[in-house]
This record gives sequence, C-alpha cells and structure tokens, in this order.
Amino acid sequence: GAGVSQSPSNKVTEKGKDVELRCDPISGHTALYWYRQSLGQGLEFLIYFQGNSAPDKSGLPSDRFSAERTGGSVSTLTIQRTQQEDSAVYLCASSLGGQEYNEQFFGPGTRLTVL
Amino acid sequence: KQEVTQIPAALSVPEGENLVLNCSFTDSAIYNLQWFRQDPGKGLTSLLLIQSSQREQTSGRLNASLDKSSGRSTLYIAASQPGDSATYLCAVKPTNAGGTNYGKLTFGQGTILTVHP
Repeated sequence: GAGVSQSPSNKVTEKGKDVELRCDPISGHTALYWYRQSLGQGLEFLIYFQGNSAPDKSGLPSDRFSAERTGGSVSTLTIQRTQQEDSAVYLCASSLGGQEYNEQFFGPGTRLTVL
Repeated sequence: KQEVTQIPAALSVPEGENLVLNCSFTDSAIYNLQWFRQDPGKGLTSLLLIQSSQREQTSGRLNASLDKSSGRSTLYIAASQPGDSATYLCAVKPTNAGGTNYGKLTFGQGTILTVHP
C-alpha cells in the first residue's frame, strides 16, 4: 500500500505568516509523529499522537506550534507567526501502534523556508 | 536526558569495502533501536529495527548489533556499493523511569557515507 505522504513538499513563506503542513499516515497506523530536521540541530521530536489518547506535545518548541489529528488519520501541523528559525524540513512518521516493538515509517517531508 | 552519538560523522570508502558505522547512547533504558538511511532531499527509509531484548538483526548486506548495557550499536555494511551512499541515522526509543513508552525517537546526528567506484 501507499506510504506516508506529506504536503506540500516545499513551502516558502514570509516571516509572520501562518503555515499548515499536512500528513497522511499509512492506512491502519494508529500512531503518528512529527519531527523537525534543521541544520545543526539534527532530527528533533515535536509531537506524538496515539489513538484517542492525549498527544505528547513535549517536543513543541513554542506555543506558536500546534498540531491536530482528525478522525485518527490525517494530521495537520500549524505554525503561527512564522520566524526564520522555523525554517527546516518537517517530517511525519506513522507506526501500527505506539508499542515498543513498532517500526516507524517516515514520509518525504515538507521543506519550509521562512524569508 | 538521552543523547545519541554517531561516529564517524563522515566516511568515504572505495566500492567493495566492508564498513562499520557506530552509534552510542547514554541511557540504556530503551525499547528499541532503529537504523535509517536518508538520501539527499528525501525522507528516512527504515533499514533495521532491533528490540531491546535482541542482539542483532540482518537484512541482505546489512547487519546491526545492539549491546544495550554498554549503550552501543553498530551497523555493518558488507561489500559496499556506490548506491549505498547516503546519510545513515540511528535512533533509540527510550522508556521513562516508569517504563512507559512515549513513542518518540531520539536521533543521532548521522554518518554521511560516500562509496566511490
């Protein structure tokens, strides 16, 4: 079946604007993760959704970042009032569940550039 | 706080060589360790997943080992090919003090591998 998909693949925005990034997980996967990959910082965890449980938001860098997952499937990561330091590749991953033995599968990412 | 380190940061080898990439982590309280490959401008491709109770996993020319007590993992690539050129990332899924799995991975900075013909 299809893998994890993300849209858009590239997004250029001006400082101060809001952006929305979308992730479609693999069908049947109940766990969904957002990560950020930026130069000099490597890959950082942002947020984790597992079924109907409250999401783990411990990795969100500021209150300008939020994410939701509707119907247990598609997720949207929203960044309000973007700053230049938000420029990065935002990666989404999904797994069958949040259990310890589950492998995470990643999408191609959205490259965000804030001018 | 869990920290993951990968050595070397970059590696350049001639085609056909066997090579080893190293990954170390500071907290042995992990559920599993996963090795990924990332091609330029692309997402991550999962290569191997080793559960904390396992010592190694193999897939084709790849073999990954895990020594949880010493906080180390190695990825062995046999008979390297130019198509193996990519960034290789290791990541651990840590537990918390209570053993609850929060799902998130902690990544190393990666090893950039170049295999030249």
